[in-house]
Amino acid sequence: GAVVSQHPSWVICKSGTSVKIECRSLDFQATTMFWYRQFPKQSLMLMATSNEGSKATYEQGVEKDKFLINHASLTLSTLTVTSAHPEDSSFYICSAQGGGPRETQYFGPGTRLLVL
Amino acid sequence: AQTVTQSQPEMSVQEAETVTLSCTYDTSENNYYLFWYKQPPSRQMILVIRQEAYKQQNATENRFSVNFQKAAKSFSLKISDSQLGDTAMYFCAFMRGNNNDMRFGAGTRLTVKP
Repeated sequence: GAVVSQHPSWVICKSGTSVKIECRSLDFQATTMFWYRQFPKQSLMLMATSNEGSKATYEQGVEKDKFLINHASLTLSTLTVTSAHPEDSSFYICSAQGGGPRETQYFGPGTRLLVL
Repeated sequence: AQTVTQSQPEMSVQEAETVTLSCTYDTSENNYYLFWYKQPPSRQMILVIRQEAYKQQNATENRFSVNFQKAAKSFSLKISDSQLGDTAMYFCAFMRGNNNDMRFGAGTRLTVKP
C-alpha cells in the first residue's frame, strides 16, 4: 500500500519549452501532496505544498509563476516547469500524505529533468 | 526555524555488522515527528522508520531501530546485521506536529561492504 507514482521518469527538453510532471497516489487519497527538488549529491528541498482544490503554498525563493502546481483531485497533482532553462535541470520528487499515519509522507520515484 | 544536522557525510560497514547513523535537530516545538528515509541508487525515497516525539519508547522496525534522546535533540539510527541492500543515502527528517513541512538533513552515504 501507499504507492505514489510519477510520470515521466525522465525528460529532456529544449530551453524555453514547458514541461509537466504528474504525481499520482495509486492506492489512497492524498490529503496533501508535496514537491521537492534534489540537486546531485544534495538533500531534498521543499518547493511547495498543495492541497486538493486550493492554491499551492510555495516555499520562500520558489517562483510560483515558474513552477505551476495544480492539485486537481485527491489522487493527482501536477508540476509544470514553464519556460524551462538549463538551471531548472534537476531531480524533482513528489510525495503524498494520506496513505498511512497522518504525518507520514510517501514518495514517488522522481523525475529527472534535463533542459538543453 | 527547524534544522536537521547529519554530521557523517559518509560511512561504511562490513556485511552483518552493526552501524549507527547520527542525527541531531533543533526546535522549540514539543509536538513533532522524526523520520529516517533511505534513498538507494534508484533514488526512490523509502521510509525506514518514524518516531513520535511524545513517545518515550524508541521505534523499531526489524533490523532498524532508533535511539531517540528528546532532551539532547538526538535521533540516531542503528542498523543491525547490515546487508548489501542497505547501501544507500540515509536522510533524517523532522516535521512539526501541526505543520506538514518536512525538513531533511544533508544525508549520510552508507556503504555496506561484503
